[in-house]
Amino acid sequence: AQSVTQPDIHITVSEGASLELRCNYSYGATPYLFWYVQSPGQGLQLLLKYFSGDTLVQGIKGFEAEFKRSQSSFNLRKPSVHWSDAAEYFCAYTTGTASKLTFGTGTRLQVTL
Amino acid sequence: EAGVTQFPSHSVIEKGQTVTLRCDPISGHDNLYWYRRVMGKEIKFLLHFVKESKQDESGMPNNRFLAERTGGTYSTLKVQPAELEDSGVYFCASSRTSGSHNEQFFGPGTRLTVL
Repeated sequence: AQSVTQPDIHITVSEGASLELRCNYSYGATPYLFWYVQSPGQGLQLLLKYFSGDTLVQGIKGFEAEFKRSQSSFNLRKPSVHWSDAAEYFCAYTTGTASKLTFGTGTRLQVTL
Repeated sequence: EAGVTQFPSHSVIEKGQTVTLRCDPISGHDNLYWYRRVMGKEIKFLLHFVKESKQDESGMPNNRFLAERTGGTYSTLKVQPAELEDSGVYFCASSRTSGSHNEQFFGPGTRLTVL
């Protein structure tokens, strides 16, 4: 079955440290890939997306993600985490331009000062 | 432009009662989606409207759930009768038909608690 795996349920990092959140997908072809963030009391906000082309994509808030076809991965990274980045992060994919999103279970990020 | 709005933000009902959730998409967005997150689980797709038509309702859990989209504008999701396992956060999202590939804009969600 097609799926998205986020192996880390909860991650804690210190402010200023680097961050990498893992995401693996299972799909026969190259899907459209997304990272969303949900801060407390807010809806899901799109951080970045990959459709084709350059495998390193830049997003908002200083985030980037790299698509690696050979590893079926789309990991999210940030060089220096800020306390305001504490939130829950969701990796997702879709197979068409107006199709449903399939989400991972999410990774909750805690930032210590 | 205004974002996707959902009403109510929270709803607490007893098992067997009826609840109706509302979603107002971004103006001009033909695609409207409903998702649900049960506590501790992933966000799961429920259904997809294109304008007023149901494009995909493969995620609807059972016939206790009824979704409508009047005139292709706002949408409602009715749960009747509600069961304990229906508790969770219900998200609505909308997107344009053309243009940027399926960038879905999400509302803040409705937290439903069934007691």
